[in-house]
Amino acid sequence: GPKVLQIPSHQIIDMGQMVTLNCDPVSNHLYFYWYKQILGQQMEFLVNFYNGKVMEKSKLFKDQFSVERPDGSYFTLKIQPTALEDSAVYFCASSLVRGRDSDYTFGSGTRLLVI
Amino acid sequence: GDSVTQTEGLVTLTEGLPVMLNCTYQTIYSNPFLFWYVHYLNESPRLLLKSSTDNKRTEHQGFHATLHKSSSSFHLQKSSAQLSDSALYYCALSDNYGGSGNKLIFGTGTLLSVKP
Repeated sequence: GPKVLQIPSHQIIDMGQMVTLNCDPVSNHLYFYWYKQILGQQMEFLVNFYNGKVMEKSKLFKDQFSVERPDGSYFTLKIQPTALEDSAVYFCASSLVRGRDSDYTFGSGTRLLVI
Repeated sequence: GDSVTQTEGLVTLTEGLPVMLNCTYQTIYSNPFLFWYVHYLNESPRLLLKSSTDNKRTEHQGFHATLHKSSSSFHLQKSSAQLSDSALYYCALSDNYGGSGNKLIFGTGTLLSVKP
């Protein structure tokens, strides 16, 4: 079936540096999401994005985080500057519709380690 | 706020035995949507089944679950476990009150390990 691709699959970065996580969503999907999963914990919602705008963000979406999808290219999550507590797996997802029954297609995650 | 509870972190079974993974939820919404996602190692989490209909069994790929609003539960079951069922299973609740697009509230996940 259709896939969400996440690039890179792994990233190690020095604390304080900038990192950009890339997501190539399903081509006809309109809604995009980032979730964060710290080792041993559940996936937690960060942000959803539609029509070029952030629709909703959680308290985990710190001021150092930003998202964009310029001209239908990658949907990106940028963290600048990074902190040790940003180490986690970040999952991108997309959906065609926004209703409560909408099916998400997830990527396989980017494992970010901040050292 | 909304929450999902999966009490078992690890379930270990012998092949052929029945599977039951627990999921309960809390929400202020009277018409919740519940999901089960399965996450195989090195793959993407993918939807296994979903439901919003009270007391109606929903099935997919040999698994089934019934949403019981009276007990706020959506347990995942399978009559006979297979080795290939070994994976991480997440129960999730859809949260969409503000019309801004939904988000999923996940449980902590249950790792199912099926042994020969």
